[in-house]
Amino acid sequence: EADIYQTPRYLVIGTGKKITLECSQTMGHDKMYWYQQDPGMELHLIHYSYGVNSTEKGDLSSESTVSRIRTEHFPLTLESARPSHTSQYLCASSEGTSTNSPLHFGNGTRLTVT
Amino acid sequence: AQKITQTQPGMFVQEKEAVTLDCTYDTSDQSYGLFWYKQPSSGEMIFLIYQGSYDEQNATEGRYSLNFQKARKSANLVISASQLGDSAMYFCAMREPYSGNTPLVFGKGTRLSVIA
Repeated sequence: EADIYQTPRYLVIGTGKKITLECSQTMGHDKMYWYQQDPGMELHLIHYSYGVNSTEKGDLSSESTVSRIRTEHFPLTLESARPSHTSQYLCASSEGTSTNSPLHFGNGTRLTVT
Repeated sequence: AQKITQTQPGMFVQEKEAVTLDCTYDTSDQSYGLFWYKQPSSGEMIFLIYQGSYDEQNATEGRYSLNFQKARKSANLVISASQLGDSAMYFCAMREPYSGNTPLVFGKGTRLSVIA
């Protein structure tokens, strides 16, 4: 059973606010990922990390940043929230050495920007 | 170009019947991995089954099996004996190259509804 946690579960915030979505995993996985998903739609990669102090941009990274100071923690920050950021954000992790290792997902954060 | 194509936005199946969800993929790599995930209405992503490009046999996990046709670049998910709890979105995904060092690319998904 995967142990990956995201907080908050739901967030409603006004335009222009800075927000940080938290993601932690207790499995010691090196690889971590952030995906954005509109309801019932495909997942788009925002950022990913291969390990501590490693971060890479995905397809939708332009308006957010991430950090990876500790193996278990991979927060996502939106510097200035906009209504277009309203979506579900899914954090995931995978083992570093297994080529067939699936992504283990958290329960997601559903963000609404008013 | 879409890496993963799922052509069925929605599917209906009678309870206890089998259903096939289609997935085709596009890659020039010889080594790659294919995954299927289930997403119930609660939103979490649940890993179902994996198929490696060099695996000679189709993957199976309980009621889930993967119909892998490498020449056609298709990896269809077969759910046998459908249950009401199978109603969900199903996503096909691919990792390439076959290194374990790349994120998954997902298709647009298929919404499956199981009818009693």
